[in-house]
This record gives sequence, structure tokens and C-alpha cells, in this order.
Amino acid sequence: GDSVTQMEGPVTLSEEAFLTINCTYTATGYPSLFWYVQYPGEGLQLLLKATKADDKGSNKGFEATYRKETTSFHLEKGSVQVSDSAVYFCAWARNNAGNMLTFGGGTRLMVKP
Amino acid sequence: DTAVSQTPKYLVTQMGNDKSIKCEQNLGHDTMYWYKQDSKKFLKIMFSYNNKELIINETVPNRFSPKSPDKAHLNLHINSLELGDSAVYFCASSLRDTGYGYTFGSGTRLTVV
Repeated sequence: GDSVTQMEGPVTLSEEAFLTINCTYTATGYPSLFWYVQYPGEGLQLLLKATKADDKGSNKGFEATYRKETTSFHLEKGSVQVSDSAVYFCAWARNNAGNMLTFGGGTRLMVKP
Repeated sequence: DTAVSQTPKYLVTQMGNDKSIKCEQNLGHDTMYWYKQDSKKFLKIMFSYNNKELIINETVPNRFSPKSPDKAHLNLHINSLELGDSAVYFCASSLRDTGYGYTFGSGTRLTVV
């Protein structure tokens, strides 16, 4: 069935390290893809999105490219900060079908000074 | 001027009680959702309403009953609370079929003792 798989955490990095969080999806058709971030004690916030193949979403130094050939939407950041410590969720939604988001299991990122 | 607001933020109650969680959005969105987040951060859709009509009802015990008096409000009533209901419940809203993603509330942490 349709699903989203992302790497399990926690991911622990030192400040200024390079970040990759892998995300792959299984879906029929051409979904929209999203990354959400959840800071401690808060709700999820949309970080970035891409709605078609080869689109690159970017925000706050984070990027992800919609790769249809590998059904992936990996999240990257060149230099993480302590303030990036949070749980990151990959998600997809089938276009024009009610917008329902299917989330991956979340990846906790911990950045140490 | 909070976009999606949930009340209460914390709820501690005894097994067997009945409780409600309220959600309101002022974004003009037409679709609202309830998600349950377990202790491992996994997010699961429970219900979705579009213009006050139920459009998604996942496998949820019928002790959970959503109510949408208008498209800006989606409340969740839970009867006969059980220990396993302890979780964080998130309300979210969106504009259906726009691909813009969701706006989440800050969550209600329910603890059943």
C-alpha cells in the first residue's frame, strides 16, 4: 500500500555538520511531497514542499529534491545548528484527492554544540 | 491571532471518564483533521472533515466521536477513556486539493491514569 519510509533516528550531529535524512515513498500517481518539523513541545510546522518531479523545496537552509526515478525526497542541510534539533517528518499527499497527508515515522535530530 | 488553536493543552484524567478536546481555525480552511501521536512520535490520522462533513474515518474505536459544528471547528469527544488513549492529539486544517499542506495546532497531551 501507499506509505512513506524515513530513516530511523536519533541522528546526532555536531554543529556545522552536514545533514541528510532519507525519505522514500510508495504511491501510485504523482503525489506532493512535504517535510514537516516538530520542535519540542510544539505542533508540526511545514518546512518545505515539492509538488512535481524534479522540483526542489527549500527553506531555512534545508533542501529536498523530488526524485521520481528513485521515489525519494531526502532532506539535506549543509551546516546544522543546535536550534535545528527537532523531529523531522516526511509526508506525501495525493494531489486532488482530499489532501490527506501520510506521514513517515519521524526522525529525531540532535545537534550538539 | 493563533491560526489553529486547541484546548486544553494538557489533560490528565482517570480511566473511564469522558473528555473533550476542542479545535478552532481562523485560516478560512475548509478541511480539518485529528491526528494521534504516540510516545514514539508516530502520527496516525483519525478523522477528517470537509465543510462539516466526515470524509475520513480511520479505524478508531467508536468511543472517539468527532463533531464539526461549522467548518472552523472540529471537536473530539472521547468516552470511557482507557490507558492506551494516552497520547498527544493534534488538530490540523488545510484547503482541500490545493497541495499547500496542513497547519497544525500545538497539540493536546492526554494522560489517562
